[in-house]
Amino acid sequence: DAKTTQPTSMDCAEGRAANLPCNHSTISGNEYVYWYRQIHSQGPQYIIHGLKNNETNEMASLIITEDRKSSTLILPHATLRDTAVYYCIVRPYNAGNNRKLIWGLGTSLAVNP
Amino acid sequence: SQTIHQWPATLVQPVGSPLSLECTVEGTSNPNLYWYRQAAGRGLQLLFYSVGIGQISSEVPQNLSASRPQDRQFILSSKKLLLSDSGFYLCAWSDSGQGNQQHFGDGTRLSIL
Repeated sequence: DAKTTQPTSMDCAEGRAANLPCNHSTISGNEYVYWYRQIHSQGPQYIIHGLKNNETNEMASLIITEDRKSSTLILPHATLRDTAVYYCIVRPYNAGNNRKLIWGLGTSLAVNP
Repeated sequence: SQTIHQWPATLVQPVGSPLSLECTVEGTSNPNLYWYRQAAGRGLQLLFYSVGIGQISSEVPQNLSASRPQDRQFILSSKKLLLSDSGFYLCAWSDSGQGNQQHFGDGTRLSIL
């Protein structure tokens, strides 16, 4: 599986957009980019995923570069409740291989008042 | 809607004692089920996954075992706990045909004394 690189930590002011980068320069053509987040002492929560087009849902937007070697998760108006560790994972969207998600250390986002 | 229940939330056990953690899923059929462990300050490590009743795959050699006696029930067990078994244990499920969108329980924090 392709490896991802994320900054260890980031800060964001409440109400501002939080832009979390992820580098996945070895991504393969059939690999999707997934984002999860983990609030302290809770289980991870799925946020969004995409292949090559930008995606948006009620939680966030995912911007994938044209060469697919990097992506950015955008929380448009960060709140204190968005303080969490954010994980970027790349994996084939394949029912036969869907069991393994390789979890790195993610980015610890602190939203400050 | 689908829900996942994991209990207990916290557990303190002496070294050498047995362990049984239970996870149940509601609102879906034939899910893939997973047990993860997260050590303090570390990423999630997949311990076991199951694609059906009685079908268990182990990802790492360890002091733990898993069982799936019913379609939506996943149990993590140990006959004799070690100090190194301390950690945050997470159960997750995914649809068998929906790629890598995994849904997590709230976890069990296990402390071994």
